Amino acid sequence: AQSVTQLGSHVSVSEGALVLLRCNYSSSVPPYLFWYVQYPNQGLQLLLKYTSAATLVKGINGFEAEFKKSETSFHLTKPSAHMSDAAEYFCAVSEYTGNQFYFGTGTSLTVIP
Amino acid sequence: ETGVTQTPRHLVMGMTNKKSLKCEQHLGHNAMYWYKQSAKKPLELMFVYNFKEQTENNSVPSRFSPECPNSSHLFLHLHTLQPEDSALYLCASSQDLGTGMTNEQFFGPGTRLTVL
Repeated sequence: AQSVTQLGSHVSVSEGALVLLRCNYSSSVPPYLFWYVQYPNQGLQLLLKYTSAATLVKGINGFEAEFKKSETSFHLTKPSAHMSDAAEYFCAVSEYTGNQFYFGTGTSLTVIP
Repeated sequence: ETGVTQTPRHLVMGMTNKKSLKCEQHLGHNAMYWYKQSAKKPLELMFVYNFKEQTENNSVPSRFSPECPNSSHLFLHLHTLQPEDSALYLCASSQDLGTGMTNEQFFGPGTRLTVL
């Protein structure tokens, strides 16, 4: 089975600073990779996804993520944090077959004014 | 209504009650899911339905009983729950491409369940 590790359950950044949220997966073959965001009292919303096309994936709200096979990583970045980015972020991986997603434990992002 | 809707948004029930959670997707998808989200834990996949047929049951206790009458509706019937079942229950849907290709899942806002 797949597993997903998100380093850092809580990340704080200043408004305007770089956002870096880490995600590593375990897989012997490149899987599909996703980042979701969850605002308070809401469901998960897709930020971006990697499906074996370009390794640098751009998503909504200025976020992007880079797939690095050698590091089995899919870290999420945003050049300049905004107050509205404060939320819980989840990395997820799925296999080629079936439709089961494996989620990380999430990273809570706080943006300091 | 658009996307994935869930009702009720909040539910408080006693351990002897019977209640149901409802999920409806307006996206034309053919796969639906129930997840349990507890604090400090990864999302736990509970059930998967493909074309109304249950394809996954991740060792979920029998006090949780899913029902999928059609590809747009998904229910989770609850009875004799325990306090540790208190959590956010999320419904999701996706379009199963049927060739081993996975598409993203779209989530509803969840039902916050409290078991007393």
